[in-house]
Amino acid sequence: NAGVMQNPRHLVRRRGQEARLRCSPMKGHSHVYWYRQLPEEGLKFMVYLQKENIIDESGMPKERFSAEFPKEGPSILRIQQVVRGDSAAYFCASSPSGMPNTGELFFGEGSRLTVL
Amino acid sequence: AQSVTQLGSHVSVSEGALVLLRCNYSSSVPPYLFWYVQYPNQGLQLLLKYTTGATLVKGINGFEAEFKKSETSFHLTKPSAHMSDAAEYFCAVLYSSASKIIFGSGTRLSIRP
Repeated sequence: NAGVMQNPRHLVRRRGQEARLRCSPMKGHSHVYWYRQLPEEGLKFMVYLQKENIIDESGMPKERFSAEFPKEGPSILRIQQVVRGDSAAYFCASSPSGMPNTGELFFGEGSRLTVL
Repeated sequence: AQSVTQLGSHVSVSEGALVLLRCNYSSSVPPYLFWYVQYPNQGLQLLLKYTTGATLVKGINGFEAEFKKSETSFHLTKPSAHMSDAAEYFCAVLYSSASKIIFGSGTRLSIRP
């Protein structure tokens, strides 16, 4: 499967625990975007990364959230000390080059986080 | 602020009827425009996109959209709805100075038998 791979698909955490969401972009793609989808809402941009660099994190909450895209391995979105309001679907998307050159994103199937 | 607005969070049509999903953007400079579809428990899939050139864009599954600069709109249409079209549809924009695609709030399309 050469598509964008996200895992886990479903994650349940208790308040105060940490959540780690992983994303492997499509083969040949070096640009990764994370979006959050709250129930009954659209997708909200969180962060845009290239290998080893954060390009745009204007949509990331100031506290508890972090993202990385190391030279080797998947991109990781980390949420520390989760709260119930973090319950959402988190989507990763990749592109072969940065915007606006291609203008198309390829999405994974999402990771659905539930905080009890 | 640059944004994209989808009118109607839920649209219901009969099978075989015309589908019209509305999208307007806010910018004096035409952006790149997209429509994505999301089926239940899945990621988003690109339906079609407008970058430059012909203002009527044809996409997959019989959908098309027309870029109208004077109306700052990019409405999505399909002449005859099929049950398999039931999904959530997102309009999205990419401005030339931006590094990210901005999505609308989505329109859930239901098809009545």
